[in-house]
Amino acid sequence: GAGVSQSPSNKVTEKGKDVELRCDPISGHTALYWYRQSLGQGLEFLIYFQGNSAPDKSGLPSDRFSAERTGGSVSTLTIQRTQQEDSAVYLCASRYDSSYNSPLHFGNGTRLTVT
Amino acid sequence: QKEVEQDPGPLSVPEGAIVSLNCTYSNSAFQYFMWYRQYSRKGPELLMYTYSSGNKEDGRFTAQVDKSSKYISLFIRDSQPSDSATYLCAMSAGRGANSKLTFGKGITLSVRP
Repeated sequence: GAGVSQSPSNKVTEKGKDVELRCDPISGHTALYWYRQSLGQGLEFLIYFQGNSAPDKSGLPSDRFSAERTGGSVSTLTIQRTQQEDSAVYLCASRYDSSYNSPLHFGNGTRLTVT
Repeated sequence: QKEVEQDPGPLSVPEGAIVSLNCTYSNSAFQYFMWYRQYSRKGPELLMYTYSSGNKEDGRFTAQVDKSSKYISLFIRDSQPSDSATYLCAMSAGRGANSKLTFGKGITLSVRP
């Protein structure tokens, strides 16, 4: 079946512009995560949605970052007034539920370049 | 000190070699341990997962967890060029709100034919 889909796959934007990154999780998956992967920095947790619960936003680096998940499915990560340090690959992942033996399925990411 | 430390590499080995990849961690609450493999320009994919201490084997791959030492390892036997990828260790404390994974930085492995 279809995996986690992210769009766009690449985004180049000018410093100061806003960007929206989209994630379509696997159908039926209740948990959705956003991670950021920078060169040499590994994966950095950003935000986590589980069903109808309030999201865990503890990883968002600044108030320029926000995310929403509509109808328990599609999620959008928004970065306002982009900065060069926002350049990274933004990865979305979903899992059936939050139990330990429910594997995390990643999309292929959106590669964001801020010029 | 970062919660999860992973040798930065890169690592280059000849085909057929045994590869040992390692991570250490500081958070004693971590109970669930995973290894992900990431090919270039792709998302990470789950390779192995274990709960608490012990070993788990799957084909050419063996995952080991030593909670007393806060140390996990992934062994790859008879390595193949197709194993060339970045390997990331990941761990979490539990379910629900604690289920977010904390990742190591990843190590890039190259298996030479």
